[in-house]
Amino acid sequence: DGGITQSPKYLFRKEGQNVTLSCEQNLNHDAMYWYRQDPGQGLRLIYYSQIVNDFQKGDIAEGYSVSREKKESFPLTVTSAQKNPTAFYLCATSGSARETQYFGPGTRLLVL
Amino acid sequence: GENVEQHPSTLSVQEGDSAVIKCTYSDSASNYFPWYKQELGKGPQLIIDIRSNVGEKKDQRIAVTLNKTAKHFSLHITETQPEDSAVYFCAASGYSNSGYALNFGKGTSLLVTP
Repeated sequence: DGGITQSPKYLFRKEGQNVTLSCEQNLNHDAMYWYRQDPGQGLRLIYYSQIVNDFQKGDIAEGYSVSREKKESFPLTVTSAQKNPTAFYLCATSGSARETQYFGPGTRLLVL
Repeated sequence: GENVEQHPSTLSVQEGDSAVIKCTYSDSASNYFPWYKQELGKGPQLIIDIRSNVGEKKDQRIAVTLNKTAKHFSLHITETQPEDSAVYFCAASGYSNSGYALNFGKGTSLLVTP
């Protein structure tokens, strides 16, 4: 995860609040992904982007939004519509070997 | 879509013993199978991967085997050390409507006791 940074490490959300998780990479990778991890579960895909200015919904996109205005950045917004946002959020990237994904250190989101 | 099953959910071995984790997948179109190691509070780290044109791959104490016919693949760790204690995830991928997104198993918590 040396070239992928996620911030903050911990994030607290109040009821009805939107919060944005940051993911930045300096690997020059085209594709970026957001996954959600719940205790005892595997990772589930929220959104992905294969190129700048394009992104697609994953399996659990409801209550989340993303943007991809720059190659290096893929922020994830957890909206108030997401009723169960407490989880560990992981950003990943892939380069020329598109199937090989590398993960960032994660952001833990907690609800106050 | 792809469904990946992983067993066991927990595994405890003594230092020096071998550990084996098994996964099955459902989509015959899947052709890439990575394994990740996740330590507490950290992101998953890719430790080994295998593509469908290969039956086995080794990297020092870690090996992965793939049986395409049976749709299962396994991670083998030999001479386990306490530092191997972590959660291990298998995944399967093939190009689909979700691009190259990975489908993950639910993880195996490995504990290596001294």
